[in-house]
Amino acid sequence: EAEVAQSPRYKITEKSQAVAFWCDPISGHATLYWYRQILGQGPELLVQFQDESVVDDSQLPKDRFSAERLKGVDSTLKIQPAELGDSAMYLCASSLVGVLGETQYFGPGTRLLVL
Amino acid sequence: RKEVEQDPGPFNVPEGATVAFNCTYSNSASQSFFWYRQDCRKEPKLLMSVYSSGNEDGRFTAQLNRASQYISLLIRDSKLSDSATYLCVVIVSSGSARQLTFGSGTQLTVLP
Repeated sequence: EAEVAQSPRYKITEKSQAVAFWCDPISGHATLYWYRQILGQGPELLVQFQDESVVDDSQLPKDRFSAERLKGVDSTLKIQPAELGDSAMYLCASSLVGVLGETQYFGPGTRLLVL
Repeated sequence: RKEVEQDPGPFNVPEGATVAFNCTYSNSASQSFFWYRQDCRKEPKLLMSVYSSGNEDGRFTAQLNRASQYISLLIRDSKLSDSATYLCVVIVSSGSARQLTFGSGTQLTVLP
């Protein structure tokens, strides 16, 4: 079964450093999402792409976060500079909208710890 | 008030028990509803979609009540392997943008 790939799986960094996460969605999935999940809470949407275009980044802290999906396939989420409060799991999901609606498939996530 | 609220939990139930979770949403324009399951330190996985007519998948039944703006998940004959956090998801679509909101999750532990 096709899966969403993410790397790295774990990242430890010091505050003020830059970090980047990578996501490769399931082949053919036009929609890609980045979420942040803090322990004990549900995932919070950061940004949604439709192919290479951003369709919703209203919840993305744009002073330090950026996301791109240049060729409409894989995507990178960057944080610069990282802050202590950014420690969380960053999840990528891709989806295909079909007759029965949309189903999202999540990658394994990247666990970020900012020291 | 949060856009999507779930039973706080945790729910600790014996094997074989029936357990139900509720999730309320505040946006009446919400169009799609799902239940996801998330195991500890893993990613969420789709459990089932929720339709107005209700849907059943084995021991799991999901219901949607648009008038009262809530969705529910019923698990019958609980198994140890059902222990996980259950997340409800509500989607509002606007053009090509889909605003997804997750609940904070309800933790279920099924005890032997």
